[in-house]
Amino acid sequence: AQTVTQSQPEMSVQEAETVTLSCTYDTSESNYYLFWYKQPPSRQMILVIRQEAYKQQNATENRFSVNFQKAAKSFSLKISDSQLGDTAMYFCAFILPNTGNQFYFGTGTSLTVIP
Amino acid sequence: EADIYQTPRYLVIGTGKKITLECSQTMGHDKMYWYQQDPGMELHLIHYSYGVNSTEKGDLSSESTVSRIRTEHFPLTLESARPSHTSQYLCASSERGQRGYTFGSGTRLTVV
Repeated sequence: AQTVTQSQPEMSVQEAETVTLSCTYDTSESNYYLFWYKQPPSRQMILVIRQEAYKQQNATENRFSVNFQKAAKSFSLKISDSQLGDTAMYFCAFILPNTGNQFYFGTGTSLTVIP
Repeated sequence: EADIYQTPRYLVIGTGKKITLECSQTMGHDKMYWYQQDPGMELHLIHYSYGVNSTEKGDLSSESTVSRIRTEHFPLTLESARPSHTSQYLCASSERGQRGYTFGSGTRLTVV
């Protein structure tokens, strides 16, 4: 079975500080892609960052970076210099391209950036 | 700017009514998906399609139905709405799964 676990239902961070959201996953497949999605309140879900499982180098997108530990099946998201616009629900997910391209999502972490 | 559109954005409807949630994308993506999302909770796949005339049920049992007559259009229909159908419904599409999904803004449905 494919599972994604986000153990932090809610988190908060002071503006301009750094926060890390945790995610672990489980799959027996070797070919997969990992994602973090952001869903602001009442707004569209958007892609934050993407990581290919076969790449050891951690992906970065401006203030967003991941810590990908393949052996531990861990995929945490670090947000540096947090901004008020980062307040959102964050979902960790992975996809198995060899088995239908369906996403497996975690239950989400609600992040609040405090001014 | 979103290339996948969902209408209506909000809908309040009475029990027993038939409703269709619209989803259209302009990216030419073959793969389209419907997810159900309760507030603050994970997404559950209810339907997906890999192309015209292809539809499959997802992991979460749903009383809704879908159709895919055109590549760009993937509507979801509830023949008889019930309060248990109250939820947010997200539509998504992808060209290649490895690139991730593009999501619509969602339809928040309330059945009274």
